[in-house]
Amino acid sequence: SQTIHQWPATLVQPVGSPLSLECTVEGTSNPNLYWYRQAAGRGLQLLFYSVGIGQISSEVPQNLSASRPQDRQFILSSKKLLLSDSGFYLCAWAGAGNEQFFGPGTRLTVL
Amino acid sequence: LAKTTQPISMDSYEGQEVNITCSHNNIATNDYITWYQQFPSQGPRFIIQGYKTKVKNEVASLFIPADRKSSTLSLPRVSLSDTAVYYCLVGALNSGYSTLTFGKGTMLLVSP
Repeated sequence: SQTIHQWPATLVQPVGSPLSLECTVEGTSNPNLYWYRQAAGRGLQLLFYSVGIGQISSEVPQNLSASRPQDRQFILSSKKLLLSDSGFYLCAWAGAGNEQFFGPGTRLTVL
Repeated sequence: LAKTTQPISMDSYEGQEVNITCSHNNIATNDYITWYQQFPSQGPRFIIQGYKTKVKNEVASLFIPADRKSSTLSLPRVSLSDTAVYYCLVGALNSGYSTLTFGKGTMLLVSP
C-alpha cells in the first residue's frame, strides 16, 4: 500500500532563517506531487506541483521553492523565511486518477 | 479550472442526515466532482467522487443532477466525529497535472 511521509511534524523558525521540508512517498511510481499551505482558518493554497523528477510548476509567486530530486521525494525550501510563511504545510500525491492523498503535514511557525 | 461555491458553515445534530451542496456552473465535460473531509491539523481525506447521477459508498452519497452544475454530498446519520471541513472540487481525471483547487470548504459542526 502507498504511504506518504512528511517531516518534521512541527517547526519553529526565526525570521530570515532557511527552511527545508521533506516529503517522501512509498508504494507508488511516478506520482504527481503537490505542496499546499493552509493558513489558520483558511482553505488550502496550492504552492507547487510536480509531474516528474526535476519538473516543478509554481502556482503562486512567493518566497518558497520546491525541488524533486528523486521520483518519490519532494522538498520545499526557503532561503529566508518571512512571518507570512507561517502555516500548515501539506504534501500530497496523486496517481492515475485525481484523488489526492495527503501527508500528516508540518506546522511551521515563523517568529 | 471550474470554480466551486459552498456554504461557509453548517450546523447539525447527531443522528441527522446532512446535505452539503456545491455549485460548479462552469464544470467542463471531462470534469469529475470530488469531495474531501479535513479534520483540524490533518490533511484532507478523500470521501467520494462522481461524474453524474448518484454515487454511494460506505460513508456518503453524492447526488449530481443531469446538468452537473451542482452536486450534493449527503452524510447519513452524522455523529460528533463528522465535525470537519468538507471540500468540493472539480477537475478532470488523468489531466496530466491534475491540479485541483481547494476552496475554503464548508465547516460542519455536529452537536449532541
